Amino acid sequence: DAGITQSPRHKVTETGTPVTLRCHQTENHRYMYWYRQDPGHGLRLIHYSYGVKDTDKGEVSDGYSVSRSKTEDFLLTLESATSSQTSVYFCAIRAPGTRNEQFFGPGTRLTVL
Amino acid sequence: AQSVTQLDSHVSVSEGTPVLLRCNYSSSYSPSLFWYVQHPNKGLQLLLKYTSAATLVKGINGFEAEFKKSETSFHLTKPSAHMSDAAEYFCVVSEVSGNTGKLIFGQGTTLQVKP
Repeated sequence: DAGITQSPRHKVTETGTPVTLRCHQTENHRYMYWYRQDPGHGLRLIHYSYGVKDTDKGEVSDGYSVSRSKTEDFLLTLESATSSQTSVYFCAIRAPGTRNEQFFGPGTRLTVL
Repeated sequence: AQSVTQLDSHVSVSEGTPVLLRCNYSSSYSPSLFWYVQHPNKGLQLLLKYTSAATLVKGINGFEAEFKKSETSFHLTKPSAHMSDAAEYFCVVSEVSGNTGKLIFGQGTTLQVKP
């Protein structure tokens, strides 16, 4: 398995509070991604990074920000959590030299009350 | 714009019978296509991938898929279902142009395997 960990694995928070999810990789890959998974929608891209300090938006980026200060860590922040952000969040890394083969972390289940 | 449509949200088969999960895609470019599997409360695992080489692609656990450009399809099959195959399956298309590496997921197909 690709060396990807996510923390926390489960979190319950209240509306309006800030939340940060962490993705950590041991593969030293350049590209990292954050997705959210909701029933009936598959996975949707929130943000991605193509290098340290280089990030861009995905299709559902509103209400989320990201940061990448080191190759191995990619942080997803919900500045002020809302109930619509209750979801399962997956981090992924892209295998170099492939046509976008991605490996996924174990996921973080976030509940916003 | 690229898109993926999984034609069945739920498929039920008996153990030992064939599995067919259907996927159609839309892409302006030469696509890369993937099938991922997700067991309950688990992460996603890559089953197989098409990247413009052979059109019949073999994956793990006896699964295979055939890329048919004329039909814009990438259906997943397995000759004989096993109880452990019960899971959710995602058909995924990747943009090849540019360098962003965005994956576009279908809505998923839940496979139920009955004893």
